[in-house]
Parts: sequence; C-alpha cells; structure tokens
Amino acid sequence: GDSVTQMEGPVTLSEEAFLTINCTYTATGYPSLFWYVQYPGEGLQLLLKATKADDKGSNKGFEATYRKETTSFHLEKGSVQVSDSAVYFCALSDRTGSARQLTFGSGTQLTVLP
Amino acid sequence: KAGVTQTPRYLIKTRGQQVTLSCSPISGHRSVSWYQQTPGQGLQFLFEYFSETQRNKGNFPGRFSGRQFSNSRSEMNVSTLELGDSALYLCASSLTGASTDTQYFGPGTRLTVL
Repeated sequence: GDSVTQMEGPVTLSEEAFLTINCTYTATGYPSLFWYVQYPGEGLQLLLKATKADDKGSNKGFEATYRKETTSFHLEKGSVQVSDSAVYFCALSDRTGSARQLTFGSGTQLTVLP
Repeated sequence: KAGVTQTPRYLIKTRGQQVTLSCSPISGHRSVSWYQQTPGQGLQFLFEYFSETQRNKGNFPGRFSGRQFSNSRSEMNVSTLELGDSALYLCASSLTGASTDTQYFGPGTRLTVL
C-alpha cells in the first residue's frame, strides 16, 4: 500500500537557519504530494502541493519539488522564523483505484529559537 | 469564504457511551473526509463521503460510522466508546475528492474517553 516516510524529529533551529525536512513516499500509482502544517491546538493547514513530476510547490518561503526518480518531496526554507515553529506533515493522495484519501507521514516537530 | 467548521471542539465521554461529531464543509465543496489523529498512530483516514455516498473507508471497526447530508454537511458517530478512541478527529473538505484536489481541514474535535 501507499506510505510516506518523514524525517524523524524533533528539529530545533536558530532563527534564519536553513531548513530541510526529508520526505519519501511509496505509491502504487501516480500520486499528488502535499505538505501540511499544524500549529498547537489547530487543524492542518495546506502549506504547498505538487501534482506531477518536477512540479515545484512554494508558499511563504517554503519550497518542495516532486522528484519521481527518487520518490521524494523534501521541504526546504532558506531562512526560518520563530513563527515557523509547528508540526509539518508530508502527505500523498494516490490517483489509482478508489483512493480518495490522504496518507500522512508521522510528522516532524520544528522549533525555531530566537 | 468561511472555512471548515467542526462542532463541538471538545468532548468528554465515558467508556461505553456513544458520540456524534459534526462537520460543515466549505461552501461548494461536495467531498468530506474524516481523519483520526493520535500520538501513537498519527493521522489515519476514517472515511470519505461525496453526494451523500460513502466512497472510501479506512481500516476502523464498525463502531465508527458516518453520513453526509444533501447540503454536504457530515456527521460521524462512534458507538460503545473505548479508551483508545480518545483522539483529535479532523474533518476535511474538497471540491470533488479527486487526488489533485486540496483537502481543507477544520480545527478538529478533541474527544476524551474516561
């Protein structure tokens, strides 16, 4: 079945540091890929998405490129801020069969220190 | 446009009771999905509804059920509650539920089973 493997956390960075959170996936079809962010006490917010190979999703300084050859969708940001502290989830939605669901990674807790 | 709303936000029940959670999707969205979030199991898919029909169901026991109304609002029900049902229950809506659609999440209902 489909699965998503995320970099283990927690991750602690200083403000303005470079961020990478690794995400790899296994899918039977040709999935769409997503990054969601969850702030304390809230639901999930879409951060960015990509629906086909070599697409780059970007939002609020975050970027991720859909790499079909390496089955990866790593999240990057050049300069993190304290306000980026949250839990980040990589997810996929497969196009085959009746799969109309998101399969999530385990989440990566990011803490940014001033 | 108003986001996904979920009621109630917090709920405390005892073992053996049943509970009903409600979700109102974004206006115009016809697909509603439910997810369970726990520290141990992470985010797991429960079921997805479109036009009042359940199209997909995750690997949960029959105690978990749901329905969707003609206005796309959805409810989920858990009968004979167990301690392990304590979780954050998230509802998400999308236009059609297609794999390329973005799923927008509500704030969740925090269920505590004592």
